[in-house]
Amino acid sequence: GENVEQHPSTLSVQEGDSAVIKCTYSDSASNYFPWYKQELGKRPQLIIDIRSNVGEKKDQRIAVTLNKTAKHFSLHITETQPEDSAVYFCAATLKSGGSNYKLTFGKGTLLTVNP
Amino acid sequence: GAVVSQHPSRVICKSGTSVKIECRSLDFQATTMFWYRQFPKKSLMLMATSNEGSKATYEQGVEKDKFLINHASLTLSTLTVTSAHPEDSSFYICSATPSGQGYTGELFFGEGSRLTVL
Repeated sequence: GENVEQHPSTLSVQEGDSAVIKCTYSDSASNYFPWYKQELGKRPQLIIDIRSNVGEKKDQRIAVTLNKTAKHFSLHITETQPEDSAVYFCAATLKSGGSNYKLTFGKGTLLTVNP
Repeated sequence: GAVVSQHPSRVICKSGTSVKIECRSLDFQATTMFWYRQFPKKSLMLMATSNEGSKATYEQGVEKDKFLINHASLTLSTLTVTSAHPEDSSFYICSATPSGQGYTGELFFGEGSRLTVL
């Protein structure tokens, strides 16, 4: 099955700096890579996702890059703000139409943005 | 966006009792829902895939008789933790994705249910 490794496990940055979280996956067939943000005691929320036919995707301060050959993808947050502090999870799966797919999650990165 | 609701959000029970957690898709139908377990400061571990009208598919290492899943309708899946013990204490979260045209396949999560077994 799929295996997703995520690094670092904790990341502390100063407000305004950039943050980068990296993930690798094992199954070359995986084609969908979402990123979730989870605040303490709350549900995960999708913040951005990328499909295997795209190398990069950006949404305001958040961007994700995908290297299919190397089987790794990264989350980039620029101009970080204290409210970006949360746990971030990467995930991977094979989506083949329909809605029946299982996500394999990375272990998460606790991001702390210091004012 | 689509809404998934879980109930209860918190439950405390005595060891040996059974606890039922409900997961509802409020504004869409879901033939498939997923149940996860999350330990403090840990990732989401998929427990099982709940299939409407058929048996759930459990991940390796998850006891089927311990964690009973029922998906009786297109908007409701239930997880029953039977004969709960303190080691079953955890945060349980469900997720679902709307099917049909126009949807990207994004997974929507419930609020989660924190189970504490005394």
